[in-house]
Amino acid sequence: DAGVTQSPTHLIKTRGQQVTLRCSPKSGHDTVSWYQQALGQGPQFIFQYYEEEERQRGNFPDRFSGHQFPNYSSELNVNALLLGDSALYLCASSLEVRNNEQFFGPGTRLTVL
Amino acid sequence: GQSLEQPSEVTAVEGAIVQINCTYQTSGFYGLSWYQQHDGGAPTFLSYNALDGLEETGRFSSFLSRSDSYGYLLLQELQMKDSASYFCAVGLDWGGSYIPTFGRGTSLIVHP
Repeated sequence: DAGVTQSPTHLIKTRGQQVTLRCSPKSGHDTVSWYQQALGQGPQFIFQYYEEEERQRGNFPDRFSGHQFPNYSSELNVNALLLGDSALYLCASSLEVRNNEQFFGPGTRLTVL
Repeated sequence: GQSLEQPSEVTAVEGAIVQINCTYQTSGFYGLSWYQQHDGGAPTFLSYNALDGLEETGRFSSFLSRSDSYGYLLLQELQMKDSASYFCAVGLDWGGSYIPTFGRGTSLIVHP
């Protein structure tokens, strides 16, 4: 049973560029959440997707957007990259939106130069 | 607003017992979770407390006191592989969704 997978594992971009990160949830899971984890910090909630819609959103600007596909996989898009966007981006899946147990993927390490 | 406090670092020796505390201030509290994260790895769910009391899972136990806004993670029979960061996460009810808010993490260093 495959767990949560993310691609790519590492990415280097320059300021002003756009990036798309991808996530496949654990088999059977229908809810995907995205987090940003800066070095030495805990994961910060970006948004949650369920039934192809954004259910909840954390304190992140509109430059951060996402999408969920019918097969429950998800994308995170970040436009107009800033140096401060450099972080580990984690995807987590769960079965339904009220489930307290989240399964995290290995993350995408984004570096903005 | 919300706040979560946990120690930044804890050290212990193999075979010992260590307790990582977490205090929180928040509204809409749903429960307290604990996650383990090794360097460069994915956070892994360890435990969840919605009610007061102790939950035991093997060598790990987690405790919650809702009236004191306090919880802890207890690790027994420490092993070198337990060296990792441990995060407490307050579960908030956001319009029917369970959204965990993570603390800054506690780095546990286990010495031989």
